[in-house]
Formats: sequence, C-alpha cells, structure tokens
Amino acid sequence: QKEVEQDPGPLSVPEGAIVSLNCTYSNSAFQYFMWYRQYSRKGPELLMYTYSSGNKEDGRFTAQVDKSSKYISLFIRDSQPSDSATYLCAMSAGAGKSTFGDGTTLTVKP
Amino acid sequence: DTAVSQTPKYLVTQMGNDKSIKCEQNLGHDTMYWYKQDSKKFLKIMFSYNNKELIINETVPNRFSPKSPDKAHLNLHINSLELGDSAVYFCASSQVPGSLYEQYFGPGTRLTVT
Repeated sequence: QKEVEQDPGPLSVPEGAIVSLNCTYSNSAFQYFMWYRQYSRKGPELLMYTYSSGNKEDGRFTAQVDKSSKYISLFIRDSQPSDSATYLCAMSAGAGKSTFGDGTTLTVKP
Repeated sequence: DTAVSQTPKYLVTQMGNDKSIKCEQNLGHDTMYWYKQDSKKFLKIMFSYNNKELIINETVPNRFSPKSPDKAHLNLHINSLELGDSAVYFCASSQVPGSLYEQYFGPGTRLTVT
C-alpha cells in the first residue's frame, strides 16, 4: 500500500466551479503538507504548504489538513481555465525525503 | 533568469548507451535533488545532495550515478540505459535539506530509450 494516495482523476469542471482535490496518507509522522501544480511539460511549482493540522488560504486556494483523519484537501474557488494542470500533493516528516501523490489532472473548461 | 536549469530538455537514445543530464541552479541553495517522473505522473525522489555531499540515496539501480562538482551543479549519469529508464527527470533545489516547502524544480529532461 502506498504511503500517499491521491484521488486519481482526471477531473473536468466548468469555469467558475469549486474544485476539491484530496489525498490520504498512512504515515503519522508526516508534518509538512504541500500542494504542487504542474503544467504540461513543465516542472512542478509549489502552490501551498501547511505545517501540521489546520487551514491555509491564499487567494482562490485553500489547503486543509486533518491529521486525525490523515486527510488533506486543496480547494480552488472560482476555477479558471488557467488552473488546468496536474496537482500533486506531497508530504514530509521533516528534513529528509518527501513523498508525492500520483497527481490529479484538472481541466477547467471555459 | 532561470532559477533551475537542465540540459538537455529532450534526450532520445538507444538501449545500452550511457548518457548524462546536467543541472544548474543560480538560487544560492545548498541542497539539490534528482526526481524521476514516470508516464503516470508519479514523482519519486532518487538522490539529494547537500553542499556536495550525498544525503539521500533511494533504491535506485547502480547504473545511476549522481555527481555534484559544486553546490550549484548536480549531474546525473546513467549507464547501460534500459527501456524502463524512459521518464522525465527533474532536478530541484532548496536552501534547507528536505524542505519541500521551498523546493524549486527545473523544467525537466524527457528521456526516451528505444
């Protein structure tokens, strides 16, 4: 069983929709939770990170971490065609290696 | 100015060949990484160097050998290439070892082994 499981997708939504992207994990030592966005044929770029449980908001993006359920989410409000990309969750216990989810490909249709 | 750059962008080669991928970062970071992303987008760390010292070495075949001549460069040499090595290889860097929350990725090198 993988340490990090991500909703596989693909996901296709109309412009303006609220998008929910989710990951579950099994390693209770994870403390750092990240979301990366990867456009086609580009490298991943860090979108948001959260330390431990809680919510974090940045513009149209909200990251949620529920350590008790070992569940993290990324919400995108008022989705735009420019949000079309693959979203990767990633987790780390601290210094050392990270573990990525398999990615969810999102398409926002105008 | 590109923060993390990789060369080449595309690499097509035959099985059994030896090839190298180069990475350079101009961010002044101390730590650099190599990741492999397969066709299903799964991103897996291979190696990490901090100040030219190897600190992460995942279960990777011995045919893969990283080399860091200085803090700003991390190269990846692959011997006896196999079909399964076809993937996109990403270089990344961060100031603090393992700090995912400030990791910058290069554009990737798309390797195709025929």
